[in-house]
Amino acid sequence: DQQVKQNSPSLSVQEGRISILNCDYTNSMFDYFLWYKKYPAEGPTFLISISSIKDKNEDGRFTVFLNKSAKHLSLHIVPSQPGDSAVYFCAASAQGGGADGLTFGKGTHLIIQP
Amino acid sequence: EAGVAQSPRYKIIEKRQSVAFWCNPISGHATLYWYQQILGQGPKLLIQFQNNGVVDDSQLPKDRFSAERLKGVDSTLKIQPAKLEDSAVYLCASKARVYSDSPLHFGNGTRLTVT
Repeated sequence: DQQVKQNSPSLSVQEGRISILNCDYTNSMFDYFLWYKKYPAEGPTFLISISSIKDKNEDGRFTVFLNKSAKHLSLHIVPSQPGDSAVYFCAASAQGGGADGLTFGKGTHLIIQP
Repeated sequence: EAGVAQSPRYKIIEKRQSVAFWCNPISGHATLYWYQQILGQGPKLLIQFQNNGVVDDSQLPKDRFSAERLKGVDSTLKIQPAKLEDSAVYLCASKARVYSDSPLHFGNGTRLTVT
């Protein structure tokens, strides 16, 4: 039973355009959501997060949107740059109920075309 | 600040052999996690420590996997005996405090191949 789902294994976007990566979750106890970026042969690197008390968080070119009623979040990258080509993982945790290890989706491979 | 250190980077063993991985978290980070990432999947939590105590090991295959965090700093993850399906990248991560709104910081992982 996958509690965090990223339904697009890959996404190709032209340089300078907007990249939109989507993530759905099923566990209503999740209250903290993160996006990680991963290059080959490296560990995941934290990108941006959002708490369930917010519906938007922005950091430079990266914005995360959270729709709690739809159990959906998205990551927007504007403008997309060649260095953004990587695998992006959506992750979630329940902060108050005990252990807070992250549950990850399978990832979306973002390819930025020149 | 130095990141999460893991060793070795790569390990190749035969099935039924044993293997151990080492992790040194970011200085001062009380919470430490071990994740398993199989090719094409997202990382899956194996075990979480708070200082030297286990917080969650519900997904750790305890018949063959064990982990310890003596003195609340470094940690080792052991597999004995290894199976073919254990081939994966083993990631260690740390965080300053449990239940805090702060991200996990990952090491570069150990890639295990079981033949």
